[in-house]
Amino acid sequence: EVQLLESGGGLVQPGGSLRLSCAASGFTLSSYAMSWVRQAPGKGLEWVSAISGSGGTTYYADSVKGRFTISRDSSKNTLYLQMNSLRAEDTALYYCAKDPRKVGLPSYFDYWGQGTLVTVSS
Amino acid sequence: EIVLTQSPGTLSLSPGERATLSCWASQSVSSSHLAWYQQKPGLAPRLLIYGASGRATGIPDRFSGSGSGTDFTLTISRLEPEDFAVYYCQQYGSSPRTFGQGTKVEIK
Repeated sequence: EVQLLESGGGLVQPGGSLRLSCAASGFTLSSYAMSWVRQAPGKGLEWVSAISGSGGTTYYADSVKGRFTISRDSSKNTLYLQMNSLRAEDTALYYCAKDPRKVGLPSYFDYWGQGTLVTVSS
Repeated sequence: EIVLTQSPGTLSLSPGERATLSCWASQSVSSSHLAWYQQKPGLAPRLLIYGASGRATGIPDRFSGSGSGTDFTLTISRLEPEDFAVYYCQQYGSSPRTFGQGTKVEIK
């Protein structure tokens, strides 16, 4: 059974940093494209970042480019999102999500974690 | 960036009724690369439809998707009590991947 478990969220001051983790089970994370998708309180969904399943190519939304870094550790079957220079508008529930495809650009999301909440406030 | 606009914002219907949700794209979505998700309060989104009309594993056949180009539709043939939720469309035909703002289906 595919499971995704996010952790690492919390309260951080503007300008601060946080690293989110997403532990995967039931499949080999490095074989699939993986994404982070966020949802601000009471708002809709926003794709944030992705890493391809094959070569580890990374992709970012313009709103986080240069501040966030996506990576993965195959030995731990875990996905990460390093978030630097955090802003109030980064406050959201952050989901990790699995792509159904092993190759190609990230597409849609067939499995989602339960999310981890990031609050950026002084 | 492709902007997806969903309508209506809220749909008030009774169990047993038919629900028709629309998703319009600001540019043509290549190869009908459009997905639909259902989200209930406090839960993660759940994939319903991919490729505009393909039903995801375990999704009841009362859910169907259609459309191409810039105009897509999610239809729920007969609403069950568990179908009252927020629905999002998402395009994956071009980068960045984008979502619509959502349609809430509420009990009338």
